[in-house]
Amino acid sequence: EAGVAQSPRYKIIEKRQSVAFWCNPISGHATLYWYQQILGQGPKLLIQFQNNGVVDDSQLPKDRFSAERLKGVDSTLKIQPAKLEDSAVYLCASSSIGGRGTETQYFGPGTRLLVL
Amino acid sequence: SQQGEEDPQALSIQEGENATMNCSYKTSINNLQWYRQNSGRGLVHLILIRSNEREKHSGRLRVTLDTSKKSSSLLITASRAADTASYFCATPSRAGTALIFGKGTTLSVSS
Repeated sequence: EAGVAQSPRYKIIEKRQSVAFWCNPISGHATLYWYQQILGQGPKLLIQFQNNGVVDDSQLPKDRFSAERLKGVDSTLKIQPAKLEDSAVYLCASSSIGGRGTETQYFGPGTRLLVL
Repeated sequence: SQQGEEDPQALSIQEGENATMNCSYKTSINNLQWYRQNSGRGLVHLILIRSNEREKHSGRLRVTLDTSKKSSSLLITASRAADTASYFCATPSRAGTALIFGKGTTLSVSS
């Protein structure tokens, strides 16, 4: 079974530029998550999709971050404009059943973003 | 907000020794999960323990859960160099839809 795919793996940009990350979840997984992991900390949820609908985006900085999952499969996360504090690893995860936090989440390798 | 908090922050042991790391959390939960993260394989699910379970085993891993103390422990027996990684506990968010991770314990196993 193919895992969660993410691209690019690394990205370096200057502050105020825009950047986009792509994620393809495990086939058949209805739920997709984007997490931000700052160095030395655990992952923090940015947004959760159930199929192509948003379940939770309460911690997404909506003035600069946006995400979509148009056909209920792959997803993109965009930052515009980027700030220095956005430097982090952006992890995409998927699970087969949405809801109660009881399912195993499968994580992609992440995109490491450095904002200069 | 941080739900789980792992202790210790860092742990260094020799191969063959046991490693124990702890997680404390703040609110009632229906399950708790442990994940491992290393540079080679990314973040990987290790084990899930439900609130009505007190102990669970998986290979060399043993997880306990004490809901009265709001704490969990992960024991890795007979550690190997390949166990070198960061270990995170994760609990369901208040909405119950996603996971909240702690800051993790960094384990270093030397041969």
